[in-house]
Amino acid sequence: EDKVVQSPLSLVVHEGDTVTLNCSYEVTNFRSLLWYKQEKKAPTFLFMLTSSGIEKKSGRLSSILDKKELFSILNITATQTGDSAVYLCAVGRRGGADGLTFGKGTHLIIQP
Amino acid sequence: GAVVSQHPSRVICKSGTSVKIECRSLDFQATTMFWYRQFPKQSLMLMATSNEGSKATYEQGVEKDKFLINHASLTLSTLTVTSAHPEDSSFYICSATGVGGYTFGSGTRLTVV
Repeated sequence: EDKVVQSPLSLVVHEGDTVTLNCSYEVTNFRSLLWYKQEKKAPTFLFMLTSSGIEKKSGRLSSILDKKELFSILNITATQTGDSAVYLCAVGRRGGADGLTFGKGTHLIIQP
Repeated sequence: GAVVSQHPSRVICKSGTSVKIECRSLDFQATTMFWYRQFPKQSLMLMATSNEGSKATYEQGVEKDKFLINHASLTLSTLTVTSAHPEDSSFYICSATGVGGYTFGSGTRLTVV
């Protein structure tokens, strides 16, 4: 059975801090790992990672995948209160005809 | 970019009635769409894979006779919750795969009273 485990489940930091969110996975026929940000409604896409060791960046957010260790991290630097959200990690399998398997998410709270 | 429209965004229905949720891919064709359910403070759980022109594939533990899926065209999939009960109250989200990967609809919050 496919498994995606995120840690920590919740995190409270102060504005300006840097945070690292973790995601480990066990999945057959791995194709991609995706990070999403979920506020009140549907998840919004952040990153899709398919290759090991290649960092993807978007502003203050960055992510990297380690396919040997079956692990990914999401970094957020200089956090702002608008970064408060649930961050979801999901894994897709080869073929693209399968839905995603999601982790439980990390509930991030940024305090002013 | 790829856009997926989902309606309604919120619905309240009486126990025993049926509710239909629509998911449309607006600017691309989606041969496959996915339906997820999210209970409060929990993650998204895949319910079923909707395939255009053929029967949906349901995940283990999801009742196919209760959650009817129709994918009659390349841009529209519908999920009908039949004989809804309070325990079906949840956030339902659809997703479609397009050029940019997986795109999600805005979700439907169903409350059964």
